[in-house]
Amino acid sequence: GDSVTQMEGPVTLSEEAFLTINCTYTATGYPSLFWYVQYPGEGLQLLLKATKADDKGSNKGFEATYRKETTSFHLEKGSVQVSDSAVYFCVRADAGKSTFGDGTTLTVKP
Amino acid sequence: GAGVSQSPRYKVAKRGQDVALRCDPISGHVSLFWYQQALGQGPEFLTYFQNEAQLDKSGLPSDRFFAERPEGSVSTLKIQRTQQEDSAVYLCASRAGRSGNTIYFGEGSWLTVV
Repeated sequence: GDSVTQMEGPVTLSEEAFLTINCTYTATGYPSLFWYVQYPGEGLQLLLKATKADDKGSNKGFEATYRKETTSFHLEKGSVQVSDSAVYFCVRADAGKSTFGDGTTLTVKP
Repeated sequence: GAGVSQSPRYKVAKRGQDVALRCDPISGHVSLFWYQQALGQGPEFLTYFQNEAQLDKSGLPSDRFFAERPEGSVSTLKIQRTQQEDSAVYLCASRAGRSGNTIYFGEGSWLTVV
């Protein structure tokens, strides 16, 4: 079935470090791809999305490019902040259900 | 409010008790989803509605779980004869239409079965 494999955490970085969280998805159909974020004590919220191959989603300094040839949607940020500490989920959305990765917990230390 | 609303936010049930969890999606959203999120894991798909039609219920873990959306708006997830392994956060989400549109999540109903 459809699945999403996400880089295992937890990830701990110092402020201003470069962040990459890897995500790959099964190569079936034509899914849309998303990154959702869950800040401590809050609900899931959309971070960015891409709906077709070669699209780049970006928001709050985060970026991810929909790569069909490598079935990947890696999340990157050039300089993380303490406020970026959260759990990040890679998600593929098909016509019906959406499939989540297991989440990567990011902690940014000052 | 403008977001997805879920109730109750917290529920403690005795083992064997029935529970009902309610979801009010964003007005006009055609698609509605239920997910189960265990501690430290990603949300797991339970079921999907398009308007009042339940198009996919492949994620429901057993026949004790039942979901409905009779008028294509509010949805209820019912769990009969609750077991300890049902303890989780139950997330409701809605979407305006196609798969490329943003899915908006509620804050979840935290169920603890004792």
